[in-house]
Amino acid sequence: SQQGEEDPQALSIQEGENATMNCSYKTSINNLQWYRQNSGRGLVHLILIRSNEREKHSGRLRVTLDTSKKSSSLLITASRAADTASYFCAPGWWGDYKLSFGAGTTVTVRA
Amino acid sequence: ETGVTQSPTHLIKTRGQQVTLRCSSQSGHNTVSWYQQALGQGPQFIFQYYREEENGRGNFPPRFSGLQFPNYSSELNVNALELDDSALYLCASSLEAGQGEAFFGQGTRLTVV
Repeated sequence: SQQGEEDPQALSIQEGENATMNCSYKTSINNLQWYRQNSGRGLVHLILIRSNEREKHSGRLRVTLDTSKKSSSLLITASRAADTASYFCAPGWWGDYKLSFGAGTTVTVRA
Repeated sequence: ETGVTQSPTHLIKTRGQQVTLRCSSQSGHNTVSWYQQALGQGPQFIFQYYREEENGRGNFPPRFSGLQFPNYSSELNVNALELDDSALYLCASSLEAGQGEAFFGQGTRLTVV
């Protein structure tokens, strides 16, 4: 089945640094969502970007979407300890009704 | 915190037993989806209910079944539990079926021994 693939698998950064993670997918999408999961808890929605949008911001988060390369990136600026979590992308295919997640990127922010 | 609540939070069952997990969706949401997340993996879609009808199903055997009630709360039932069913089970509600922001509960951690 289709799903996004996040890269890298894991990322360790110092507090205050920026963190960038990527998501790739194989076929054309309608939209793409990013979610965060803190240590074995529920997922929290971060951003939804539509296929006709190239960039979206929410607070310290910046998401880009390049439909020609079939990829998206999530940038967290000025990271904090509370940003330590796993991040998942969920590409939304036309006519699909479910969220399809990859294995995620685990981000550790060191104090 | 979302308005989605799941119960119980933790559960230990023996192989071969049956389990029922419950989910109360966010107010105004008519769609509930269930996901299974094994350790170190992303959530995998089990099925979705829209206005009390199953709206789609992932690659899970029939011993995984569900229900959605008129108030849009939902149950996930798993029969004949296997060791591999040990996972975090997540419920997510959304405003309408299809794509859009999903609001997740905190999950039920099921351990099968």
